[in-house]
Amino acid sequence: KQEVTQIPAALSVPEGENLVLNCSFTDSAIYNLQWFRQDPGKGLTSLLLIQSSQREQTSGRLNASLDKSSGRSTLYIAASQPGDSATYLCAGAPGGATNKLIFGTGTLLAVQP
Amino acid sequence: DTAVSQTPKYLVTQMGNDKSIKCEQNLGHDTMYWYKQDSKKFLKIMFSYNNKELIINETVPNRFSPKSPDKAHLNLHINSLELGDSAVYFCASNRDLQRQGTQYFGPGTRLLVL
Repeated sequence: KQEVTQIPAALSVPEGENLVLNCSFTDSAIYNLQWFRQDPGKGLTSLLLIQSSQREQTSGRLNASLDKSSGRSTLYIAASQPGDSATYLCAGAPGGATNKLIFGTGTLLAVQP
Repeated sequence: DTAVSQTPKYLVTQMGNDKSIKCEQNLGHDTMYWYKQDSKKFLKIMFSYNNKELIINETVPNRFSPKSPDKAHLNLHINSLELGDSAVYFCASNRDLQRQGTQYFGPGTRLLVL
């Protein structure tokens, strides 16, 4: 059964710093992995999707990597800004005919101006 | 235009009542989902429908009954509401089961059972 864990649970950094959020999953038979952002009281915004055949995806200041063999994904945020403050969630799709997402516990990021 | 929309945004009701939440997507997707986010912010799949057919029911109590009148809509009816049903319910959609791409989420419905 797929389980997804995120470390750290919370992170506070000064503006301008580069940072890495970690996501671990127990079953390497993952179809794809998505990173989402959730602002307080809001829905989820998809940031990056990495297919199982890919190793990384980039969008602007964000870079996500996937290492299936070690069961890890990282989200790298370059030159952090206060507007990046939010909860970041990773979610793995175990594949098969269900296409459901198994979510991690989230990392609450605060970028201090 | 909103891709995935939900109504209502907030729902406050008494224990024992029956309520419905509606979801609509205008993305032309075949697959839709309901997720529940509890008080600890943990998100968990509840149901999945593909082309109006139930695909996943993740051991959700049968007080919860999803209905998909067409591909663009997936509603959630909850009977005999309990205190533990208080949560944020998110609807999501995906293109289809074969091409498992990005899931798009609605803004959520915040349910409070008193």
